[in-house]
Amino acid sequence: IAGITQAPTSQILAAGRRMTLRCTQDMRHNAMYWYRQDLGLGLRLIHYSNTAGTTGKGEVPDGYSVSRANTDDFPLTLASAVPSQTSVYFCASSDTSGRPGELFFGEGSRLTVL
Amino acid sequence: GQNIDQPTEMTATEGAIVQINCTYQTSGFNGLFWYQQHAGEAPTFLSYNVLDGLEEKGRFSSFLSRSKGYSYLLLKELQMKDSASYLCAVVDSNYQLIWGAGTKLIIKP
Repeated sequence: IAGITQAPTSQILAAGRRMTLRCTQDMRHNAMYWYRQDLGLGLRLIHYSNTAGTTGKGEVPDGYSVSRANTDDFPLTLASAVPSQTSVYFCASSDTSGRPGELFFGEGSRLTVL
Repeated sequence: GQNIDQPTEMTATEGAIVQINCTYQTSGFNGLFWYQQHAGEAPTFLSYNVLDGLEEKGRFSSFLSRSKGYSYLLLKELQMKDSASYLCAVVDSNYQLIWGAGTKLIIKP
């Protein structure tokens, strides 16, 4: 089934540890995004990539990094996790030749930093 | 700054009709989306409005007034499975998505 796959689905992490959330899509969408979702705050954009080889900062990029080596993969790395990074992380993609803003989301990665 | 307002929570009865409002102030406008998100799941696309007026899709309709910076999502013949959060999002002049915090809809039998 075509779509976006995120891993892990859930993780508990000690503060200070490094963590990479994986995201893979098989829809050949050129744009990909990482959001975090916290209760009462809605979705906040962390980083995005409009095409392979390029990345950009979103609303809340501090403490996170991304890479886009190819079309399908867009990993998100927390270099040194802190408790405020406890959240649900969603990866999404879009076909920029379609409706702007129509996103396809992965199932999310629930991260707890202790 | 850019802002999207929608009610935090609404309650409705199975079989009834509910209207979820969304008002926005953004730098430019290139479309408005409604997404549905069930608890513990990913958001999924519901509707898209770029011109003024009503878009109908089965039990769900979405309305847009660009001059008023206003949209609503209308859900008819409510079913228990409609219990979810409904997210309003606007595409601004830079083609960035601006998200509201979402409206949690509770359906009671």
